[in-house]
Amino acid sequence: ELKVEQNPLFLSMQEGKNYTIYCNYSTTSDRLYWYRQDPGKSLESLFVLLSNGAVKQEGRLMASLDTKARLSTLHITAAVHDLSATYFCAVDYAGGTSYGKLTFGQGTILTVHP
Amino acid sequence: KAGVTQTPRYLIKTRGQQVTLSCSPISGHRSVSWYQQTPGQGLQFLFEYFSETQRNKGNFPGRFSGRQFSNSRSEMNVSTLELGDSALYLCASSFEGKLEQYFGPGTRLTVT
Repeated sequence: ELKVEQNPLFLSMQEGKNYTIYCNYSTTSDRLYWYRQDPGKSLESLFVLLSNGAVKQEGRLMASLDTKARLSTLHITAAVHDLSATYFCAVDYAGGTSYGKLTFGQGTILTVHP
Repeated sequence: KAGVTQTPRYLIKTRGQQVTLSCSPISGHRSVSWYQQTPGQGLQFLFEYFSETQRNKGNFPGRFSGRQFSNSRSEMNVSTLELGDSALYLCASSFEGKLEQYFGPGTRLTVT
């Protein structure tokens, strides 16, 4: 069974600081996704990582994927208050019949303080 | 292009009742997946439909069921509601079930 684990689960940051969220998964995957969720809202897609060594950046967020280590990271640079949200990684299982199923990590609640 | 829409957005039901939630995918998308989100269990996959056929199912009891229509719109039904069914129910659509999924706004179900 595919398992996805994120750490930390809670992250309190000061504005201007850098930090990294880690996402480990247990079996081979086709794709890895990062989503953002604001309180009471739906999931907003941030990144889709398709291959080993993939790196994507958008603003103060950068995501990378190491398929050999089964590890993805979401790096936050010079955090600002607007980044406060819950961040999920999700994995698309590589098994041939596993259609439409994403397995999610527990989520990391990020709070950025002034 | 319009995004994924879900109706209703909020729902309050009583234990023992049943409920039907609706999801309209992005135009051209034929795969619809459903997820339940609770504080205790996180985001869990319910099932996926493609061209009116259920192709994949998560570990939920038979009280949870779904269907898909020829226009790709999907409904999920929960019968004999329990307090633990209170959750945010999200649907997601994709062009084909193994490509990127786009999520709707969700239906917040409260069971009292």
